[in-house]
Amino acid sequence: QVQLVQSGAEVKKPGASVQVSCKASGYTFTSYTIHWVRQAPGQRLEWMGWINAGDNNTKYSQKFQGRVTITRDTSASTAYLELSSLRSEDTAVYYCAREPQLGPTQFDYWGQGTLVTVSS
Amino acid sequence: QSVLTQSPSASGTPGQRVTISCSGGSSNIGTYTVSWYQQLPGTAPKLLIYNDNQRPSGVPDRFSGSKSGTSASLAISGLQSDDEADYYCAAWDDSLNGDYVFGTGTKVTVL
Repeated sequence: QVQLVQSGAEVKKPGASVQVSCKASGYTFTSYTIHWVRQAPGQRLEWMGWINAGDNNTKYSQKFQGRVTITRDTSASTAYLELSSLRSEDTAVYYCAREPQLGPTQFDYWGQGTLVTVSS
Repeated sequence: QSVLTQSPSASGTPGQRVTISCSGGSSNIGTYTVSWYQQLPGTAPKLLIYNDNQRPSGVPDRFSGSKSGTSASLAISGLQSDDEADYYCAAWDDSLNGDYVFGTGTKVTVL
């Protein structure tokens, strides 16, 4: 069965960087795009960017441009989100989600979420 | 500031029909397909509707989506206690550097 399993919770100090991983199983990793979405406490979902796991193309939300990097390791069927220059407002649950590369947009499977806490 | 606006809350008694609206513009809903996601408390979102009105396998037909112009709607018929959750619409948006945007979210309460 399709699974996206994310790395565990992180606590970081302001100004630091964090990397969250998303390990995929149960499907052909390179046939899908991985998106990253975050949700601050009590807030709506916020899209951060995507990576085409097949051709390695990426696109980032303008809001996070310059601070976010999404990569993937096809040998490990894993995608990574790195967010730098962390501030308290980056405290949120970070989700990865899968989108088929063909057909209408649909985030059909999601990871369980990773809580990132930014605090001094 | 979200470009997809939803009413903050909706409610109904078990068995009733509830409709959630999502208001956008020509750069998002007017051009791109709409998806709907259900988020139960403390869990990851779940895809309910994609391509405006398509249900993934496993999603009950009590959930239905529609779109007209720059607005979309999600209807839940035969409301059940398990439907108490937050619901988000989403679409691509040309006016925000091609970002994917989520709506402001609607909390559905089963009375």
